[in-house]
Amino acid sequence: ETGVTQSPTHLIKTRGQQVTLRCSSQSGHNTVSWYQQALGQGPQFIFQYYREEENGRGNFPPRFSGLQFPNYSSELNVNALELDDSALYLCASSFSGVKEQYFGPGTRLTVT
Amino acid sequence: GDSVTQMEGPVTLSEEAFLTINCTYTATGYPSLFWYVQYPGEGLQLLLKATKADDKGSNKGFEATYRKETTSFHLEKGSVQVSDSAVYFCALTDAGNNRKLIWGLGTSLAVNP
Repeated sequence: ETGVTQSPTHLIKTRGQQVTLRCSSQSGHNTVSWYQQALGQGPQFIFQYYREEENGRGNFPPRFSGLQFPNYSSELNVNALELDDSALYLCASSFSGVKEQYFGPGTRLTVT
Repeated sequence: GDSVTQMEGPVTLSEEAFLTINCTYTATGYPSLFWYVQYPGEGLQLLLKATKADDKGSNKGFEATYRKETTSFHLEKGSVQVSDSAVYFCALTDAGNNRKLIWGLGTSLAVNP
């Protein structure tokens, strides 16, 4: 059974640029959730995708957007990067109707 | 809205000491409760869970009991090891359809030999 994978591991971007982060869900899982974890904080829910549709969104501006593909992998896109977007971005997969989520190792984004 | 409150860290213990990390929650409905662990430089790993009142989750010597009357889900381990040094997060799933996780701030644990 393949776990959740994310790419890239680390990324450095400049303020105003755009970034795309990628996630492959665990085998058999059809739901992907994205979280932002600032240093020393708990994760904050960004949004969730189920069957290629957004299925709930946290308190994040529209410049945070996402996609889910037919194979259930997902992308998180952030436009017009701000310094405060520097964080660990975590992807979690689950199977609809099952409550536990399984996390990837995360992508560390640094905005300078 | 729903929320999770954890005891502040850092917590520093000697090997073989007893561990308790307090977690209380506020939620509408009947959330599921989780403990996740984050080792240095890594992502989050599910440690244990409980889905209804009086359920006890357990894994790797860690235990937590879902107490609805006190809205608590305290994490305990009878004898910690150096390898248990990590940050521990308490979380709940909200009552919505997407079951997003709502997290505490995390408690850092350092175990000294």
